[in-house]
Amino acid sequence: EVQLVESGGGLVQPGGSLRLSCAASGFIFSNYEMNWVRQAPGKGLEWVSYISSSGGTKYYADSVKGRFTISRDNAKNSLYLQMDSLRDEDTAAYYCVRDEAVGAPYWGQGTLVTVSS
Amino acid sequence: DIQMTQSPSTLSASVGDRVTITCRASQSISNWVAWYQQKPGKVPKLLIYKASSLESGVPSRFSGSGSGTEFTLTISSLQPDDFATYYCQHYNTYRWTFGQGTKVEIK
Repeated sequence: EVQLVESGGGLVQPGGSLRLSCAASGFIFSNYEMNWVRQAPGKGLEWVSYISSSGGTKYYADSVKGRFTISRDNAKNSLYLQMDSLRDEDTAAYYCVRDEAVGAPYWGQGTLVTVSS
Repeated sequence: DIQMTQSPSTLSASVGDRVTITCRASQSISNWVAWYQQKPGKVPKLLIYKASSLESGVPSRFSGSGSGTEFTLTISSLQPDDFATYYCQHYNTYRWTFGQGTKVEIK
């Protein structure tokens, strides 16, 4: 069974940093491209970042470019999102999502990030 | 970047109604569209991929159509479990784009 379990969310002050993690199991993690998607409270879905299966290619939404860094450790079956210079508007649930030819059938349960003073 | 414009933002309907949600892409994207259902406090659930292919386990009352720039999600006979928010998504690109969402409410 495919499982994606995020962790690392919490309350942080504006300008602060957080590192999100996503532990993958039930599939060969190194074979799959991965994404982070976020959802602000009561709002829609927003793609945040993409990473290739090897980790060599990365893309970011304009809203987070230069502040967030996606990475992965295929030996540990883990995906990460380093979030720096956090802003109020980064408050959201962050989902780890597996990338497939059919779209995104597998999502983690999400981890909540709250940016507030 | 490609934009996905979804309409309507809210839809009021009754059980048994036929419901249609539309998504328009800012440029041609072939058939690389997926549709998701999301209920409050839950993770999005994939319904349709490649514009018209039904994900395994999804009831046949859900269908998708379209190609190029205009896409639709249709629920042939709305059931109580279908009241939720629906999102379209452009994928098969390094930068996913989601529509703004359509909330289907009880009339």
